[in-house]
Amino acid sequence: GNSVTQMEGPVTLSEEAFLTINCTYTATGYPSLFWYVQYPGEGLQLLLKATKADDKGSNKGFEATYRKETTSFHLEKGSVQVSDSAVYFCALSRMTTDSWGKLQFGAGTQVVVTP
Amino acid sequence: GAGVSQSPSNKVTEKGKDVELRCDPISGHTALYWYRQSLGQGLEFLIYFQGNSAPDKSGLPSDRFSAERTGGSVSTLTIQRTQQEDSAVYLCASSPHISGSTDTQYFGPGTRLTVL
Repeated sequence: GNSVTQMEGPVTLSEEAFLTINCTYTATGYPSLFWYVQYPGEGLQLLLKATKADDKGSNKGFEATYRKETTSFHLEKGSVQVSDSAVYFCALSRMTTDSWGKLQFGAGTQVVVTP
Repeated sequence: GAGVSQSPSNKVTEKGKDVELRCDPISGHTALYWYRQSLGQGLEFLIYFQGNSAPDKSGLPSDRFSAERTGGSVSTLTIQRTQQEDSAVYLCASSPHISGSTDTQYFGPGTRLTVL
């Protein structure tokens, strides 16, 4: 079956540090890949997505590239801010008659950015 | 426009009681998903509705869980005879249509269920 593995947290960084959160997946076919973010006390919101190999998703200074050869979708940001403190979820979906686009999530990685 | 709304935001119940959780999707969104977020299991899919088609119930953990979607809009997730392991945040998401796997799902704020 499909699965997503992401690095465990918490990840603690100083402001302006470089952030990487590793995400690898197992899936048949060609899934779409997503990063969702959950800020404290808020709901899940889409951060970025990529739908095919070599696509790069980007938003709010975050980037992730769909790497089919390594089945990875690592999230990066060059200079984090305190406001980036949140839990980040890597996810995949496939639109088939079996999965209907339902999201398969990783366990989530908590990121704490200190001033 | 309005996002996905869920009610109640918090629900505390006693073991053995039934609970109903409500989701109002974004207007015009035909696809609706329920997920559960718990400490032990992470985020897991529960059920999917698309228009008037039969729902995909493959993620429901037991027959105590059921859901319906009336008029292709509002959905209610019902848990009968609640157990302590049902304690979790229940998330609802909607998306516009099923034209392809690129559709973004928009999540509501969730209902935090605590079973005492």
